[in-house]
Amino acid sequence: QKEVEQDPGPLSVPEGAIVSLNCTYSNSAFQYFMWYRQYSRKGPELLMYTYSSGNKEDGRFTAQVDKSSKYISLFIRDSQPSDSATYLCAMKVDSSYKLIFGSGTRLLVRP
Amino acid sequence: EAGVAQSPRYKIIEKRQSVAFWCNPISGHATLYWYQQILGQGPKLLIQFQNNGVVDDSQLPKDRFSAERLKGVDSTLKIQPAKLEDSAVYLCASRGTGSQPQHFGDGTRLSIL
Repeated sequence: QKEVEQDPGPLSVPEGAIVSLNCTYSNSAFQYFMWYRQYSRKGPELLMYTYSSGNKEDGRFTAQVDKSSKYISLFIRDSQPSDSATYLCAMKVDSSYKLIFGSGTRLLVRP
Repeated sequence: EAGVAQSPRYKIIEKRQSVAFWCNPISGHATLYWYQQILGQGPKLLIQFQNNGVVDDSQLPKDRFSAERLKGVDSTLKIQPAKLEDSAVYLCASRGTGSQPQHFGDGTRLSIL
């Protein structure tokens, strides 16, 4: 079993839709949770960074962590074609430990 | 602030040849990482440096991969000899102090023929 599981997609939605991206994990020691966006032929770009449980909002993006279920989510409101990319979840045990990535979900937002 | 710089962007070699990648991290970032990202997968950590010392190289195939970070700034990753399964994007990332997140370069796309 992988430490971090993520549905590879692709997920195709119309412009303006609310998008929900999810990851599950098995290591209860994970404390830091991140979402990265990766455009084709580019490096991952940090979108959201949360510590422990709860919600965090930044513009159209909301990150949610449920440590009791070992489940994290990223919600994108009013999705745009420019949001079309691969979204990677990542997590780590403490501030200096290595990141463990999910395999990424491809998102396509249709105009 | 300039980002993480990597070169070359693309490299095509034949199996059993050698190849080297270069990374220049964000100025002042003491921690540097090399990742391997195979198509359809998330990045996998190969090696982590703190200044010019190795913190974690547990997933680096040491029989063929080597990395160094001279003077705690730039870093090079070398593969010798390359195998077909080494075809991937090699990403470099750097991080500042404390709980700051990692910032990635755009990677070197390696194809082995």
